[in-house]
Amino acid sequence: NAGVTQTPKFRILKIGQSMTLQCAQDMNHNYMYWYRQDPGMGLKLIYYSVGAGITDKGEVPNGYNVSRSTTEDFPLRLELAAPSQTSVYFCASSYRQGQGATEAFFGQGTRLTVV
Amino acid sequence: AQSVSQHNHHVILSEAASLELGCNYSYGGTVNLFWYVQYPGQHLQLLLKYFSGDPLVKGIKGFEAEFIKSKFSFNLRKPSVQWSDTAEYFCAVIYSSASKIIFGSGTRLSIRP
Repeated sequence: NAGVTQTPKFRILKIGQSMTLQCAQDMNHNYMYWYRQDPGMGLKLIYYSVGAGITDKGEVPNGYNVSRSTTEDFPLRLELAAPSQTSVYFCASSYRQGQGATEAFFGQGTRLTVV
Repeated sequence: AQSVSQHNHHVILSEAASLELGCNYSYGGTVNLFWYVQYPGQHLQLLLKYFSGDPLVKGIKGFEAEFIKSKFSFNLRKPSVQWSDTAEYFCAVIYSSASKIIFGSGTRLSIRP
């Protein structure tokens, strides 16, 4: 049981390049999230998904896209990388059914630098 | 709007001191509450959680939190901190009426040896 797996752990991009941050969970969780964390700024929600085929914007979605074709995977796409997207990205998942919910389980993070 | 507030941005304590970190959430009906810890360079890990029942919740590493519904609070406590508790602490809430987990802005805890 690996939990939430993110790849890559580190990446340096040039301005204008694109990349996909991968996230996979093996806990059969229906909810998945992408956050970015900047120093001293807490967590900002980028996108989230409540199930396969359903995604929605969070607080800071501009410059990012997501898809959720399966329950397990929730990739985050950066189309035209900008220095402002330099950050640590965390993927998380949780399970909700009705009023019940588990806590969020986090991946190890991806440290992205755009130069 | 549904939100979570952590009023202490940076707390500095000496070893063996007692700790209390504040967390308040806005009214929004039934909630599930969480405290997470993030050690330097690592991801967020769950310290403790409250879903229902006893409002005093015990977590890992000697931490506990008390849910006070009338005050919309879920403060984190530890009677005696250690240098290894140096980390950032995040309070989080799930409202039953919403889809998102909402995180507070975090409190950085520094422990003087």
